[in-house]
Amino acid sequence: AQSVTQLDSHVSVSEGTPVLLRCNYSSSYSPSLFWYVQHPNKGLQLLLKYTSAATLVKGINGFEAEFKKSETSFHLTKPSAHMSDAAEYFCVVSSWDTGRRALTFGSGTRLQVQP
Amino acid sequence: NAGVTQTPKFQVLKTGQSMTLQCAQDMNHNSMYWYRQDPGMGLRLIYYSASEGTTDKGEVPNGYNVSRLNKREFSLRLESAAPSQTSVYFCASSEAGGALDEKLFFGSGTQLSVL
Repeated sequence: AQSVTQLDSHVSVSEGTPVLLRCNYSSSYSPSLFWYVQHPNKGLQLLLKYTSAATLVKGINGFEAEFKKSETSFHLTKPSAHMSDAAEYFCVVSSWDTGRRALTFGSGTRLQVQP
Repeated sequence: NAGVTQTPKFQVLKTGQSMTLQCAQDMNHNSMYWYRQDPGMGLRLIYYSASEGTTDKGEVPNGYNVSRLNKREFSLRLESAAPSQTSVYFCASSEAGGALDEKLFFGSGTQLSVL
């Protein structure tokens, strides 16, 4: 079994300040991990993914995430927020379940960026 | 390049009515998925099709049926809509469906209200 916990349902930052969106996971197997972003009235778009090649993963639009196995975390960061970053962000774990791939989505974190 | 196209974008139904949500992808992907998104719950898998000619139940299949019409198209049918099916529905596709690190491509969603 696997699970994903996004620790904050809502995060508000000022434009130009750092962003931190937190994600913890559990998995019986070594998982792949993703962050997806959803802008209003749009589908989800991949930001970045971790696949065991490197623990620090760089994604689109200046976002990064660090895989920490000891802490079972995969937090998303960005040094300087932009107004266009306002959206909902989903952490996703991909692992094996009864012989097939299973994806589990976190409940989402809504990022608000203040001018 | 259209990607994943869903129709309709919005729909209002009365309890007991039926309808079909349509989804098509133009990326020659083998696997297709239907998810529902409810506030505070992330995305939950309704049904998926690993390849043309096959369909399988996901986490929340009750009250739904699917058809993989051909490689491009995957439809979701509500035979007798219930208020509990009020949700936003997303169709997604992926290249093969078997690898842990494979990304999903999402449509822009269908907002369904059942009165």
